[in-house]
Amino acid sequence: EDKVVQSPLSLVVHEGDTVTLNCSYEVTNFRSLLWYKQEKKAPTFLFMLTSSGIEKKSGRLSSILDKKELSSILNITATQTGDSAIYLCAVGETSGSRLTFGEGTQLTVNP
Amino acid sequence: DVKVTQSSRYLVKRTGEKVFLECVQDMDHENMFWYRQDPGLGLRLIYFSYDVKMKEKGDIPEGYSVSREKKERFSLILESASTNQTSMYLCASSKQGLHEKLFFGSGTQLSVL
Repeated sequence: EDKVVQSPLSLVVHEGDTVTLNCSYEVTNFRSLLWYKQEKKAPTFLFMLTSSGIEKKSGRLSSILDKKELSSILNITATQTGDSAIYLCAVGETSGSRLTFGEGTQLTVNP
Repeated sequence: DVKVTQSSRYLVKRTGEKVFLECVQDMDHENMFWYRQDPGLGLRLIYFSYDVKMKEKGDIPEGYSVSREKKERFSLILESASTNQTSMYLCASSKQGLHEKLFFGSGTQLSVL
């Protein structure tokens, strides 16, 4: 059975801190790893990482895929209160359209 | 701006009722999905659809059915609601060829009493 595990499950930091969120996976035929941010209700897409694109960066957020270790990290530098959200990691396979999601990391950034 | 719209934000139903959750997307996406989200369990896939009138079971289809009569609309049906179906339901869509990039609706919090 496919599995995606995120850690930590929750994290509380102060504004300006740097955080690292972790995601490890076990899937049969890996195709992609994705990060989503969920504020309030609707998750929104952040990054997609594949064998041909193992590093992505957008502003203060960056992510790296380690295919050898079957894991990924999401880094957020100089955190702001607006970064408070649940961060979801999901993995896609070569067969089919479904994604397997992890439990999520609840990040709280205090002023 | 792309949009996935779920008909209700909050819904309260009684055990045994038939429940319809509606989802509409305006992006002409081929793929549509229904997930439920529960604390400690993350997002779990209930059903998905590649095309009009096509449907595939996800990981937890029991107690649910779906309907996709038009490309833009994907309905989730709880035939006889039970208390263990109390959950946040999220609809999503994606386009063929980039199916992993999901666009989500704002969710429906369903309470079954």
